[in-house]
Amino acid sequence: LAKTTQPISMDSYEGQEVNITCSHNNIATNDYITWYQQFPSQGPRFIIQGYKTKVTNEVASLFIPADRKSSTLSLPRVSLSDTAVYYCLVENSGTYKYIFGTGTRLKVLA
Amino acid sequence: DTGVSQDPRHKITKRGQNVTFRCDPISEHNRLYWYRQTLGQGPEFLTYFQNEAQLEKSRLLSDRFSAERPKGSFSTLEIQRTEQGDSAMYLCASSFSMTGLSYGYTFGSGTRLTVV
Repeated sequence: LAKTTQPISMDSYEGQEVNITCSHNNIATNDYITWYQQFPSQGPRFIIQGYKTKVTNEVASLFIPADRKSSTLSLPRVSLSDTAVYYCLVENSGTYKYIFGTGTRLKVLA
Repeated sequence: DTGVSQDPRHKITKRGQNVTFRCDPISEHNRLYWYRQTLGQGPEFLTYFQNEAQLEKSRLLSDRFSAERPKGSFSTLEIQRTEQGDSAMYLCASSFSMTGLSYGYTFGSGTRLTVV
């Protein structure tokens, strides 16, 4: 599985758009990119998954360039409740387990 | 369906005691996973079930750890002779897959274990 690298922490203000970039230089052809959100004392929560270009749901957007060596999770107009740890992971059809890194700790300030 | 349920939410035990945790996955899900998470770290994979078969057990799991998933339904994780280093959040997750890709896990809220 491709190793992922993402910033350890980020700060933002309420109402701003937040972009968290993840590097996965060794991504394989069959790999998908998946993002999770985790609040303290809770399990991670699936946010979004994509293969290429752009994916959007009611929570976030995921941008994946043509070379797929990186991806960007975009959170529009964050609020204080978006303060959490965000994990970037890669997965393919042969994968049955995720390997989590330490994630990106996002702190949203008032 | 209310998602993945874990019981208990918190457990405090004395060193050397045995503990057992239970996970009830989403009923339609055929895959079940156990992870362990310590403060400031991401979850670490412990073991994985496809239906009732335990297909992988991490090297992180010593012989003191055992997991079961009878009849492919709920799962239990038992830790024998607990040590202080076992203190962590134990997370259960489930997913459905026919093609291999899971399209995301659903995690439970975890069981916080404190060994004193």
